[in-house]
Amino acid sequence: EPEVTQTPSHQVTQMGQEVILRCVPISNHLYFYWYRQILGQKVEFLVSFYNNEISEKSEIFDDQFSVERPDGSNFTLKIRSTKLEDSAMYFCASSPVKDTQYFGPGTRLTVL
Amino acid sequence: EDKVVQSPLSLVVHEGDTVTLNCSYEVTNFRSLLWYKQEKKAPTFLFMLTSSGIEKKSGRLSSILDKKELFSILNITATQTGDSAIYLCAVCTGANSKLTFGKGITLSVRP
Repeated sequence: EPEVTQTPSHQVTQMGQEVILRCVPISNHLYFYWYRQILGQKVEFLVSFYNNEISEKSEIFDDQFSVERPDGSNFTLKIRSTKLEDSAMYFCASSPVKDTQYFGPGTRLTVL
Repeated sequence: EDKVVQSPLSLVVHEGDTVTLNCSYEVTNFRSLLWYKQEKKAPTFLFMLTSSGIEKKSGRLSSILDKKELFSILNITATQTGDSAIYLCAVCTGANSKLTFGKGITLSVRP
């Protein structure tokens, strides 16, 4: 069964460094999402992406964040200058049509 | 602000018991309600509900939505230890299908 994959599974970085989290959505899916889950808290929406552009973003998704689909298979989330509070599990999701979203295993980001 | 509330927050049962997990919501531009099971990492899709009163069923799991009273329930019958997980309720809203999640219900099934 096709799955969403994410790399790396765990990323440790120093505050102020740039990180890129990578996702390979399920083939033929058209809608892509990033969510994050701070330890002990709810899963929170960050951004949705369709037709090579951002369709919606949350207040969390400020100028430090960007997304890209560089080659038709990968979907990346970049954080330009990480802060301690960016430490969280980041989930990528994809959907063939709107509504049913399939999640990847997540990348645990630790900012020191 | 969209809100999704799940109850109870945690539950401990014995194998063979039946459990009912609750999810209530207050959102604008409702599209659908989804249930996920989260074991170690990735939320795994269980059900998507869009219409009131129509039960979705998969094995021992079933779910129903009440759009008038703004809630959904997830039932698990004859629970097994493998059902131990966090069950997440999420409501899909708006033109871009953003998901708003509840805090999750931690279910522990004891042998």
